[in-house]
Amino acid sequence: GESVGLHLPTLSVQEGDNSIINCAYSNSASDYFIWYKQESGKGPQFIIDIRSNMDKRQGQRVTVLLNKTVKHLSLQIAATQPGDSAVYFCAENAGGTSYGKLTFGQGTILTVHP
Amino acid sequence: GAVVSQHPSRVICKSGTSVKIECRSLDFQATTMFWYRQFPKQSLMLMATSNEGSKATYEQGVEKDKFLINHASLTLSTLTVTSAHPEDSSFYICSAMGGASNQPQHFGDGTRLSIL
Repeated sequence: GESVGLHLPTLSVQEGDNSIINCAYSNSASDYFIWYKQESGKGPQFIIDIRSNMDKRQGQRVTVLLNKTVKHLSLQIAATQPGDSAVYFCAENAGGTSYGKLTFGQGTILTVHP
Repeated sequence: GAVVSQHPSRVICKSGTSVKIECRSLDFQATTMFWYRQFPKQSLMLMATSNEGSKATYEQGVEKDKFLINHASLTLSTLTVTSAHPEDSSFYICSAMGGASNQPQHFGDGTRLSIL
């Protein structure tokens, strides 16, 4: 079946730098995308989402970019802090009969060095 | 924000025991809840979709009789791992969403299940 994948399994940055986490998806029917942050021993925490009719959405210190032409999703974190260290997952929803069902990417481990 | 509570957070039990995990939406009505399984250093794998008042829909490869799901109310879904064995040891996570389309799922903090 189709799946969501990530280019970089690990990312190390210095505190204060900007971080970019990438995600490639293959299901062209996906119309809703979410980024989650998962800290050790906890469940995923919602960061930001974007619908397929948009190509950019900004939150507090985070920006999600969607390129449907190449089926690529990215999460940008500005002024990365040690508290941002976690595993980041992108997830996609194909909508329609698979309403609500999310397919998760493999995850990227972000490590922020003080 | 939306809060999903999962209980217990950790279970250690002997092989052959059945274990029940509860997932509650605390401040919204969850028409749909999802159950995931996550092995160390891996991603979340959807096990089943649970709709209030109806039978759960299981993903391919997930044994219905092994993983019993009940969603009796709009705020509670339970997952029972029946006759658990060491290979069932994993991190089980639930999520919940309301009735609106394209709304993010909110996740519980997971249950670490260890079968001896």
